[in-house]
Amino acid sequence: DTEVTQTPKHLVMGMTNKKSLKCEQHMGHRAMYWYKQKAKKPPELMFVYSYEKLSINESVPSRFSPECPNSSLLNLHLHALQPEDSALYLCASSQEGQGATNEKLFFGSGTQLSVL
Amino acid sequence: QKEVEQNSGPLSVPEGAIASLNCTYSDRVSQSFFWYRQYSGKSPELIMSIYSNGDKEDGRFTAQLNKASQYVSLLIRDSQPSDSATYLCAVNTGGFKTIFGAGTRLFVKA
Repeated sequence: DTEVTQTPKHLVMGMTNKKSLKCEQHMGHRAMYWYKQKAKKPPELMFVYSYEKLSINESVPSRFSPECPNSSLLNLHLHALQPEDSALYLCASSQEGQGATNEKLFFGSGTQLSVL
Repeated sequence: QKEVEQNSGPLSVPEGAIASLNCTYSDRVSQSFFWYRQYSGKSPELIMSIYSNGDKEDGRFTAQLNKASQYVSLLIRDSQPSDSATYLCAVNTGGFKTIFGAGTRLFVKA
């Protein structure tokens, strides 16, 4: 069983809505990630937090706003999304948080987002 | 552009056979290589990691790495229907960046 918990599992929202995705890990990992995955495509990196600081923003549109309140929690705030943003949003964590090349990713079960 | 290439499949093998999954990568400085399994509608799950040339075995899984050829493979021995999934090859190029291939769909026929 995954130790990275994501809520909600499914979300349907309109283009004018504001919603948030939540992720929590209890493994003491120091890096947390948001990935986006469209059907039959590989996961694509969006954001990385290391020691609660934003380390990577892969040129993601500002309608996606990440937040890391503490070392166990990661949020993704959504506002004015487009239908093409519909995808599976995956949270992941890794142990060391130093950006070492051998860090393994542990994924949550994901939030399936549909934007109408 | 750093890339990870996989044959999308589907790769179909009979139960009990060896499934062979292949992956090539473009960035020569890549140091860490991973195989993730993803069942339909689920999230990726790490099954193997490999960091040096040669073979690494874990149960029915063997990962093989050839850095000179920029080639990574995964062998699944005694394939079971429960192994039917998409297998994602992933390469870490440093600085938190793990790049995933598009995945190979594997079907194991009972």
